[in-house]
Amino acid sequence: GNSVTQMEGPVTLSEEAFLTINCTYTATGYPSLFWYVQYPGEGLQLLLKATKADDKGSNKGFEATYRKETTSFHLEKGSVQVSDSAVYFCALTWGQNFVFGPGTRLSVLP
Amino acid sequence: GAVVSQHPSWVICKSGTSVKIECRSLDFQATTMFWYRQFPKQSLMLMATSNEGSKATYEQGVEKDKFLINHASLTLSTLTVTSAHPEDSSFYICSASQNEKLFFGSGTQLSVL
Repeated sequence: GNSVTQMEGPVTLSEEAFLTINCTYTATGYPSLFWYVQYPGEGLQLLLKATKADDKGSNKGFEATYRKETTSFHLEKGSVQVSDSAVYFCALTWGQNFVFGPGTRLSVLP
Repeated sequence: GAVVSQHPSWVICKSGTSVKIECRSLDFQATTMFWYRQFPKQSLMLMATSNEGSKATYEQGVEKDKFLINHASLTLSTLTVTSAHPEDSSFYICSASQNEKLFFGSGTQLSVL
């Protein structure tokens, strides 16, 4: 079946540090891949997405590349800010088969 | 982990009728629940934040009178699609937070004929 694995948190970084949150998936067929972010007290928001192999999604300085050969979709940001503190969810969809990873909490310290 | 139960898992209704979807936190209390909508092969979009004992907060572009949300207890939130039309056909999913983790219902596929 389809599944998403992402690195365990929490992740604590200093402001302006480089961020990587690993995400790997198992899926039949060719899923679309997403990163969602949940800020404290709020619902999920779509951060970025990629719908086919080698696509790069980007938004707000975050990037992730759909790597079919390694079945990965790692989230990266070159310089994090305190306002990036949130929980990040990797997810995939295949039709209506929506699967989320467990989420990774990021805390950015000033 | 915590369990969020969503019911029904699928529903087919005639145009003009109303459909109620329930979201229950089975083993924890959820003061806040979230409702999302997914169009085929697209991303999940937040519709509204449901707060126990108060009015829901709707995202921009979501019609409050069409998508009625009630969160009358700490374990139950309902979404009612009123006077449903074919364009309301979609996959609806709820989620709730516990100990800073997010748990999802299994989703409801709504088809309006």
